Amino acid sequence: AQKITQTQPGMFVQEKEAVTLDCTYDTSDPSYGLFWYKQPSSGEMIFLIYQGSYDQQNATEGRYSLNFQKARKSANLVISASQLGDSAMYFCAMREGSETSGSRLTFGEGTQLTVNP
Amino acid sequence: NAGVMQNPRHLVRRRGQEARLRCSPMKGHSHVYWYRQLPEEGLKFMVYLQKENIIDESGMPKERFSAEFPKEGPSILRIQQVVRGDSAAYFCASSPASALGDQYFGPGTRLLVL
Repeated sequence: AQKITQTQPGMFVQEKEAVTLDCTYDTSDPSYGLFWYKQPSSGEMIFLIYQGSYDQQNATEGRYSLNFQKARKSANLVISASQLGDSAMYFCAMREGSETSGSRLTFGEGTQLTVNP
Repeated sequence: NAGVMQNPRHLVRRRGQEARLRCSPMKGHSHVYWYRQLPEEGLKFMVYLQKENIIDESGMPKERFSAEFPKEGPSILRIQQVVRGDSAAYFCASSPASALGDQYFGPGTRLLVL
């Protein structure tokens, strides 16, 4: 079964507007972490934002915020004031695990975001 | 403090050859994870290693693939007798002493099998 689901293969947004990238997850582990990464065309993985399952508040990092709805098991990424440089592939990932099994990440299939001028 | 380093960044091999991918974790990091990204897909976990130990290799293909993280030197992902389907980006990530520490990704190695 899919542990991380990103239902939007592609998204388009006008420059300076906000955009939401969807991510739902599935886990029975009470302790987990959720990540968003950006992968530009150059290929590197750039960490954007992290949300812990016990965090009371939604994470924010500059123009990035994470809309964490635990009961719905969703962790959507919101990018405010989109810029042309935001055009990239975006991956949602989940960390489960323990001290003995490590903290492997499970990734979704990604959403290709295109910002139009 | 240098980040996670991977080399080579690009590797071209003919079918049947061997591919060796290297990963030097960040200084002080003793946990290494390898992921593979096939074209148009997300990253998939392959193997988790600590110094001199393979902890979890549940994502590694049973044949032709092996990984090591020796006491000294980088972690190595080795692919024997490569096939075209092995063409992918291979990412390494490292984390500090705690197994639940954040992972820092290297730039990846792009393997192309002709």
